[in-house]
Amino acid sequence: AQSVTQPDIHITVSEGASLELRCNYSYGATPYLFWYVQSPGQGLQLLLKYFSGDTLVQGIKGFEAEFKRSQSSFNLRKPSVHWSDAAEYFCAPFGWGTYKYIFGTGTRLKVLA
Amino acid sequence: KAGVTQTPRYLIKTRGQQVTLSCSPISGHRSVSWYQQTPGQGLQFLFEYFSETQRNKGNFPGRFSGRQFSNSRSEMNVSTLELGDSALYLCASSSGTVDEKLFFGSGTQLSVL
Repeated sequence: AQSVTQPDIHITVSEGASLELRCNYSYGATPYLFWYVQSPGQGLQLLLKYFSGDTLVQGIKGFEAEFKRSQSSFNLRKPSVHWSDAAEYFCAPFGWGTYKYIFGTGTRLKVLA
Repeated sequence: KAGVTQTPRYLIKTRGQQVTLSCSPISGHRSVSWYQQTPGQGLQFLFEYFSETQRNKGNFPGRFSGRQFSNSRSEMNVSTLELGDSALYLCASSSGTVDEKLFFGSGTQLSVL
């Protein structure tokens, strides 16, 4: 069965520190991979996506993610976190043949000043 | 152009009642998908419509149904409401093509008493 796992429910980092949010998926074939962010009062917004090619993809707000086929992972990173990054982050594989996303349960990020 | 519009924004119902939620996609988008969001569960896929046809559905009981009109607007109906149906219901639209970036509405917060 298709599934996605975000092992960290909550993460707390200090402003300026680096960040890595983990995402592992289980699909029959490599799906398209997305990260979305849900900020308070702003709804869900696409951060970045991976379809094929270069395994390191850049997104908005200074985020990047690396696709590792051997580990079935698509981890999200940011070198230096800003207080405005406090939000909930969702990894979402998309199976083109199934026309649907499977969203992870999310990782809630707290940023300490 | 206007974003995804969901109405109503808040809704309070009692057990056993039924409810209809509405979603107007971004102009030109032919795909509309629905998600249920509850704390700790992330986003659960309900169903997706493309050009008035349901292409996929999630693992929800038959009390949850939807439809899409010729202008791409979509409605979701929940009959015989249960307490556990209390959630934020999100609608997302997309072009329905390979670049499946989703544009989310602000959601309808449903409370079942």
